[in-house]
Amino acid sequence: DTAVSQTPKYLVTQMGNDKSIKCEQNLGHDTMYWYKQDSKKFLKIMFSYNNKELIINETVPNRFSPKSPDKAHLNLHINSLELGDSAVYFCASSDGPRSQYGYTFGSGTRLTVV
Amino acid sequence: AQSVSQHNHHVILSEAASLELGCNYSYGGTVNLFWYVQYPGQHLQLLLKYFSGDPLVKGIKGFEAEFIKSKFSFNLRKPSVQWSDTAEYFCAVNVYSSASKIIFGSGTRLSIRP
Repeated sequence: DTAVSQTPKYLVTQMGNDKSIKCEQNLGHDTMYWYKQDSKKFLKIMFSYNNKELIINETVPNRFSPKSPDKAHLNLHINSLELGDSAVYFCASSDGPRSQYGYTFGSGTRLTVV
Repeated sequence: AQSVSQHNHHVILSEAASLELGCNYSYGGTVNLFWYVQYPGQHLQLLLKYFSGDPLVKGIKGFEAEFIKSKFSFNLRKPSVQWSDTAEYFCAVNVYSSASKIIFGSGTRLSIRP
């Protein structure tokens, strides 16, 4: 069983569209994250939820809206997609917001905006 | 602001050569330190982590890292690399604050010549 699973794996869409990426973890973790990896492989945290509550919101455009229906799921909805949103988006989870043990990452969603 | 620096952007080695990848962080408080590896087209996997105790940490696949607090460094080493070690390597720091988060370095691409 995949510990952190993301869908879809690939997403190609036109500018201006709205799209969602889903993430689910079966590790029983309390905290989930979204990271963005750009074309230069740089990873930057976007959001973090602890037990459905938003605890980290980096300077991300408000076109990006995370939603956590329960602590096992953290979805990312993106409105009015722009070319610069093209990237790989990684979901991750940890056993708490102050976890010493690092994060478990999903396999990523490669978003291409054309 | 906290940051992680990886000064080697691309390292090219022959098989059986020894490896050392540099990592420095800037944060004066309590940190946990990690090295993640990303094989081509795959997600991030944890290689090793440090959070207390012996500053020499051993990880998977023969990797080790040494935490030198006075130098704010956490360099990754392997005595003899293999072609299968070709990947992107990320140093990361978990910064403790009200809501901790892992900050990643910009990554080092390791290419191994067979």
